[in-house]
Amino acid sequence: GESVGLHLPTLSVQEGDNSIINCAYSNSASDYFIWYKQESGKGPQFIIDIRSNMDKRQGQRVTVLLNKTVKHLSLQIAATQPGDSAVYFCAEDGGSNYKLTFGKGTLLTVNP
Amino acid sequence: DGGITQSPKYLFRKEGQNVTLSCEQNLNHDAMYWYRQDPGQGLRLIYYSQIVNDFQKGDIAEGYSVSREKKESFPLTVTSAQKNPTAFYLCASSRRSGGGGKGEQFFGPGTRLTVL
Repeated sequence: GESVGLHLPTLSVQEGDNSIINCAYSNSASDYFIWYKQESGKGPQFIIDIRSNMDKRQGQRVTVLLNKTVKHLSLQIAATQPGDSAVYFCAEDGGSNYKLTFGKGTLLTVNP
Repeated sequence: DGGITQSPKYLFRKEGQNVTLSCEQNLNHDAMYWYRQDPGQGLRLIYYSQIVNDFQKGDIAEGYSVSREKKESFPLTVTSAQKNPTAFYLCASSRRSGGGGKGEQFFGPGTRLTVL
C-alpha cells in the first residue's frame, strides 16, 4: 500500500523467507512499470521492469506480477537475504515516454 | 565505467543563498531528470530535459532552475525562492524513448542539501 505522511509501509521478514511487496498504481494509461531498490543514503537501483502486455516477469530471485484489472503491481523476492534490506519503490510511466511517477515506497527489513 | 555522478555528496547552504548541484552522465543518454526526496517520501520530479537546450518543469519546479547546454550535464540551481530546500536531491538519465521504446532511469548517488 501507499504511505501517508512520514511513515513508510514496512515489511519485516526472516532471512530465507520469501518477500512480497505490493504497489497500487493510479493511471490506467501506464504501460511500463519499474521496481527500484534504494539503500539508505544512496540513489535508487533498477531491479526489474515489466510492460503492460505482460502479467509476469522473472529475474534473478525476483518476480514482478502485474494485474491491470485492479491496477496492482507486486515484487516477489525469493530467499530474502539481509542485503535485500532497503526501501523498494514502484514507478509507472503514465503513458509518457519520459516521465515516471514513483510510489512512496515500502521499507523491507530482513532479520538474520 | 559508465554512470551518473553527482557532486557534492553533502552541501550546506545559508538561507538566502543560491546553490548549484552538479549532475554528469557518460551513458550517452538524451534525457535527464532531477528529483527531490524528503524523509519517508517518494521521489518528486523537479525538472526534466529530453534533449540538449530543452527542458520542462516537473511537479515541483518553483524555486529551482536548470540548464542543459551539454548532453552529459544537467546542473540544478536551488534558489533563495525555494522555501524549504533541505532534502536529498537525485539526478537520473534515460535513453530517449520514441516509437514505443521504453527504458529505465538510471540514478546518481544523490546530494544531500541542508539549509542552515
